[in-house]
Amino acid sequence: TQLLEQSPQFLSIQEGENLTVYCNSSSVFSSLQWYRQEPGEGPVLLVTVVTGGEVKKLKRLTFQFGDARKDSSLHITAAQPGDTGLYLCAGASGNQFYFGTGTSLTVIP
Amino acid sequence: DTEVTQTPKHLVMGMTNKKSLKCEQHMGHRAMYWYKQKAKKPPELMFVYSYEKLSINESVPSRFSPECPNSSLLNLHLHALQPEDSALYLCASSLRVLNTIYFGEGSWLTVV
Repeated sequence: TQLLEQSPQFLSIQEGENLTVYCNSSSVFSSLQWYRQEPGEGPVLLVTVVTGGEVKKLKRLTFQFGDARKDSSLHITAAQPGDTGLYLCAGASGNQFYFGTGTSLTVIP
Repeated sequence: DTEVTQTPKHLVMGMTNKKSLKCEQHMGHRAMYWYKQKAKKPPELMFVYSYEKLSINESVPSRFSPECPNSSLLNLHLHALQPEDSALYLCASSLRVLNTIYFGEGSWLTVV
């Protein structure tokens, strides 16, 4: 059972386009993290969101935590080839830590 | 830059070999983890150590044997692996269990 569902699973876009990745659950999370992973490397933490309704910006990336703390989104503006990678949401619910199903993003120059 | 260091970065081993993966962190974290990851899939939890004690073993075959010598070090001993065990093995740590997890760069394991 996957507690955190991400959509889309795969995304291929042209450089300069905008995109949004969604991370949804029916459970409440105390916080959610977003990671980016490049091929052959470990996941790198991008952000942690902890408050319902919170919005955090990291250059061209905007992260939002849902009001009910059950979902989150990642919006990338003007995507660049360097944004290519596997994006993972993750968080703790109850007494376990869960990873999302992953979104593989390819940005074509 | 990751503050979780894994060695080796690449390992090729035969099915009868014995090898070890090593992990080190100096962030004062008291929870350390081993994950297994296949291409473009999320990491799968293998083991969790909390305060140097094994707290979670996710039904991992006995050919994988974890060891936590102290609060900064975590090893994964490998013996009699199968080709399907080939994957990226990730070490991670967090301040406490269920806190934000920080990953190392991973060890690519190929079993031949």
